[in-house]
Amino acid sequence: DTGVSQNPRHKITKRGQNVTFRCDPISEHNRLYWYRQTLGQGPEFLTYFQNEAQLEKSRLLSDRFSAERPKGSFSTLEIQRTEQGDSAMYLCASSLGSWNTEAFFGQGTRLTVV
Amino acid sequence: RKEVEQDPGPFNVPEGATVAFNCTYSNSASQSFFWYRQDCRKEPKLLMSVYSSGNEDGRFTAQLNRASQYISLLIRDSKLSDSATYLCVVNEDSGGSNYKLTFGKGTLLTVNP
Repeated sequence: DTGVSQNPRHKITKRGQNVTFRCDPISEHNRLYWYRQTLGQGPEFLTYFQNEAQLEKSRLLSDRFSAERPKGSFSTLEIQRTEQGDSAMYLCASSLGSWNTEAFFGQGTRLTVV
Repeated sequence: RKEVEQDPGPFNVPEGATVAFNCTYSNSASQSFFWYRQDCRKEPKLLMSVYSSGNEDGRFTAQLNRASQYISLLIRDSKLSDSATYLCVVNEDSGGSNYKLTFGKGTLLTVNP
């Protein structure tokens, strides 16, 4: 399978714990996005990378959220001290990064904070 | 004003009906536009790209009006399998030729037998 891969698919955690999600993009894609989606809403932009450089981080993202893409390939999204409001689907997407190319999504990681 | 706004929906239509979704965007520097389809509890998938004035693919027609910053999606002869959420997506210039994809909230379509 050469699509975008996300792990884990589901994560249940207790409030206050830290969680980390991983995304493996399509191999030749240099652009990688993270989005968050809650029920009935469209995907909400969190951050994106061009190769290993983080180009933008949403101002909606608190300091508890951090993302990395150390070698320009896979990426991780970490949430520290999780809160119930963090419960959502976290989607990763990758693209070739030019202005006219679409993004391809992974199946997402569903986070439930109890 | 939100960056990408869509018809709030939901839309409930009978099989065979024609349905149109509208979307407006606020960033005039936006270069390309897409419609994605998202089935319940699945990831979004590309339905159509819209680069110039518009394009057509079978029963689906997408149109772009840059002057009005408006995009539309028309579905003709709707099928039960068209039931999904339709997401308007804008590739906007966030500065320094860095483009990011911004999504609308989506419009839920249910096609009834």
